[in-house]
Amino acid sequence: RKEVEQDPGPFNVPEGATVAFNCTYSNSASQSFFWYRQDCRKEPKLLMSVYSSGNEDGRFTAQLNRASQYISLLIRDSKLSDSATYLCAVTMEYGNKLVFGAGTILRVKS
Amino acid sequence: DTEVTQTPKHLVMGMTNKKSLKCEQHMGHRAMYWYKQKAKKPPELMFVYSYEKLSINESVPSRFSPECPNSSLLNLHLHALQPEDSALYLCASSLGQGVYQPQHFGDGTRLSIL
Repeated sequence: RKEVEQDPGPFNVPEGATVAFNCTYSNSASQSFFWYRQDCRKEPKLLMSVYSSGNEDGRFTAQLNRASQYISLLIRDSKLSDSATYLCAVTMEYGNKLVFGAGTILRVKS
Repeated sequence: DTEVTQTPKHLVMGMTNKKSLKCEQHMGHRAMYWYKQKAKKPPELMFVYSYEKLSINESVPSRFSPECPNSSLLNLHLHALQPEDSALYLCASSLGQGVYQPQHFGDGTRLSIL
């Protein structure tokens, strides 16, 4: 079983739609959780840290479910510019070793 | 614009060449990282430096040699690479090596081995 798993998609959605991604992790000792977005041939950019209480930043909402070992990202009112690959990342219990999921491709169409 | 700067942006080298990748940040971060990313795959951790000392080496072949001359700079020295080493090499930094510190990435060096 992979340490961090994501549905690769692609998710094809119209502008204005709400879309949600899930990411599961296998190590119950995982400490911290992040969502990154990566555009084609660019570097990953930090989108959000994910906290136990859940957090929101504008149109983006992240949730953590430790009992079921998954994190989620909800994007409301999708924009064309949201088209990218969304990577979830989990920090293991030692150091700051960040393990990435394979990424979920989002395509927002007009 | 990214606050982690990597040079060069692109590098083509032969299998017998020696070259170096450079990474610089001026955010006062004390942890720095090297990742390798193949096409359509996620980044994979190679090395972690914390307070200028190597803290994690993910069993990377010795043809990759990291160096951290000071808290702002991180180098990756390359020697006798193989074609399968062609990839995007990403540098990242974080405030510390604490597990809750998010990592910020540079825009990478795209490396091609002939």
